[in-house]
Amino acid sequence: DAKTTQPPSMDCAEGRAANLPCNHSTISGNEYVYWYRQIHSQGPQYIIHGLKNNETNEMASLIITEDRKSSTLILPHATLRDTAVYYCIVRGDSGGSNYKLTFGKGTLLTVNP
Amino acid sequence: GAGVSQSPSNKVTEKGKDVELRCDPISGHTALYWYRQSLGQGLEFLIYFQGNSAPDKSGLPSDRFSAERTGGSVSTLTIQRTQQEDSAVYLCASSFTHNSPLHFGNGTRLTVT
Repeated sequence: DAKTTQPPSMDCAEGRAANLPCNHSTISGNEYVYWYRQIHSQGPQYIIHGLKNNETNEMASLIITEDRKSSTLILPHATLRDTAVYYCIVRGDSGGSNYKLTFGKGTLLTVNP
Repeated sequence: GAGVSQSPSNKVTEKGKDVELRCDPISGHTALYWYRQSLGQGLEFLIYFQGNSAPDKSGLPSDRFSAERTGGSVSTLTIQRTQQEDSAVYLCASSFTHNSPLHFGNGTRLTVT
């Protein structure tokens, strides 16, 4: 699986948009970008995933650049409960060990009042 | 609906004892995964079950670790002759198919004294 690079930490003011970047310059054509988050003492929570088109759901938006070498997760109105470690993961679609999610160190997002 | 359920939520055991950790996946999910997260560390893949296929045990750290999935549903992770370095949070996840998003439980925190 392609490797991802994320900043170790970010801060965001409550009510503002949180934009979390991820670089995945070695991503292959059939690999998806997944985002998870882990709030303290809980298991990772699925947020969103995409291949090349931008995606939006009730939690967040995912913006993938045209060359697919990077992406941004957007939390439109961050709340204190969004404080968590956010993981950007690249995952294959078929064959090999695509079923595994390989977690890196992620970005610790701290939402401040 | 019900998510992935793990039990017990906490387990303290003495070094050298065997422990069993249980995972109840989301109903209808064909794939089941076990991960381990040591204090301050990332998630480490342990084992993967998909339907009736042979499990991928490539992440198990030693032969003291084993897992089974009975009837394609509930899974048990067994650690024999526990060591202090086995102390960690053991996380279970399930997914509808092998390339669907994983949904995690809140884990079992194992402490070996």
